[in-house]
Amino acid sequence: AQSVTQLGSHVSVSEGALVLLRCNYSSSVPPYLFWYVQYPNQGLQLLLKYTSAATLVKGINGFEAEFKKSETSFHLTKPSAHMSDAAEYFCAVRLDTGRRALTFGSGTRLQVQP
Amino acid sequence: NAGVTQTPKFQVLKTGQSMTLQCAQDMNHNSMYWYRQDPGMGLRLIYYSASEGTTDKGEVPNGYNVSRLNKREFSLRLESAAPSQTSVYFCASTRSQAAVTNEKLFFGSGTQLSVL
Repeated sequence: AQSVTQLGSHVSVSEGALVLLRCNYSSSVPPYLFWYVQYPNQGLQLLLKYTSAATLVKGINGFEAEFKKSETSFHLTKPSAHMSDAAEYFCAVRLDTGRRALTFGSGTRLQVQP
Repeated sequence: NAGVTQTPKFQVLKTGQSMTLQCAQDMNHNSMYWYRQDPGMGLRLIYYSASEGTTDKGEVPNGYNVSRLNKREFSLRLESAAPSQTSVYFCASTRSQAAVTNEKLFFGSGTQLSVL
């Protein structure tokens, strides 16, 4: 079975501070992994995705994530938070065999304090 | 560009009423999806359509039906609404057929449904 776990439903950082949002997955085969962002009253938008190429993936708006197979993790980071980063972030996993759609984590709401 | 358009944006139903959520995309995408979003549970797949003329169940299909009317449109129907179906519903699409595993999902802006 596949699953994805996001640690921390709410994360608060100061503007300019490091952002770290955690995601762990369980999968019996190498996964495809994604981070999506949802701004208030909008649908989700793709931030970045891992598809077995480089383990460090760069996305939009200065975000990046590193795939660590030994830790079954795909944590999202940004060196310096901006007020506009306040949103809800979802990690998602898609197996490359069988299942045809994404399984989403429960989400992490990021607050950025001035 | 419109992308994925969902209607209505808000709806309030009484228990037992029926309604259809509409979704249309103008990107010539082949695969379409319906998700529901509940607090603390992320998004869960209700149904998807990997190509025109095909539909398949996702994680939580009970109480719903879908129709892939044509390549552009994918509707979600609640035949007899229940309070447990109070949620935000998102339609999404991807370019390739067969819901290819590594593709970017394009989402609509959602329908907020309350069932009293």
